Amino acid sequence: SQQGEEDPQALSIQEGENATMNCSYKTSINNLQWYRQNSGRGLVHLILIRSNEREKHSGRLRVTLDTSKKSSSLLITASRAADTASYFCAPYLFGNEKLTFGTGTRLTIIP
Amino acid sequence: DVKVTQSSRYLVKRTGEKVFLECVQDMDHENMFWYRQDPGLGLRLIYFSYDVKMKEKGDIPEGYSVSREKKERFSLILESASTNQTSMYLCASSLPTGGLLSGNTIYFGEGSWLTVV
Repeated sequence: SQQGEEDPQALSIQEGENATMNCSYKTSINNLQWYRQNSGRGLVHLILIRSNEREKHSGRLRVTLDTSKKSSSLLITASRAADTASYFCAPYLFGNEKLTFGTGTRLTIIP
Repeated sequence: DVKVTQSSRYLVKRTGEKVFLECVQDMDHENMFWYRQDPGLGLRLIYFSYDVKMKEKGDIPEGYSVSREKKERFSLILESASTNQTSMYLCASSLPTGGLLSGNTIYFGEGSWLTVV
């Protein structure tokens, strides 16, 4: 199975600032997905970026993908208290259905 | 709205008990997953099922078994619960990608907190 590694492990910022977290992976991919997990809850899908895309936006989220460096980043702009959560990346390769996850980035937004 | 439902949110069981964690999805998904999540260890895949009665071991299958008799239901079984199986368990489901560039999305349940005493 393939797995992404998120960095940093933890991040604390003031409300209104931008938050950036990174993901590295080791194998070829067809797409990469980002998920959010609020404390004690299940994961929720945020955004998917395909291997032939370099950047994608969704609301306050911006995801970039650099397949040559096998890395992705998730930017949350104008952060809010409700963005406090853990964020996970999931690199995906067709034919490998067993999606696995790393330890995530724990984001804390300070009011 | 898509839904993955885990039957129990919180359970307390005794060491040696047989424990069943049930998961139902209403999206007609072929793939279903069981993960456990522990502090500092992230999500670890226990078992994966890609069709009725079909299963594959994940990264940590020891001490667990699964059952998938119907497409919508995937059960995780702890044959003899031990204290080191105290954890949060997450069920999930997805469509197979079938080569689609659009990929797939995994839908998670809310989690089951299991305490073994």
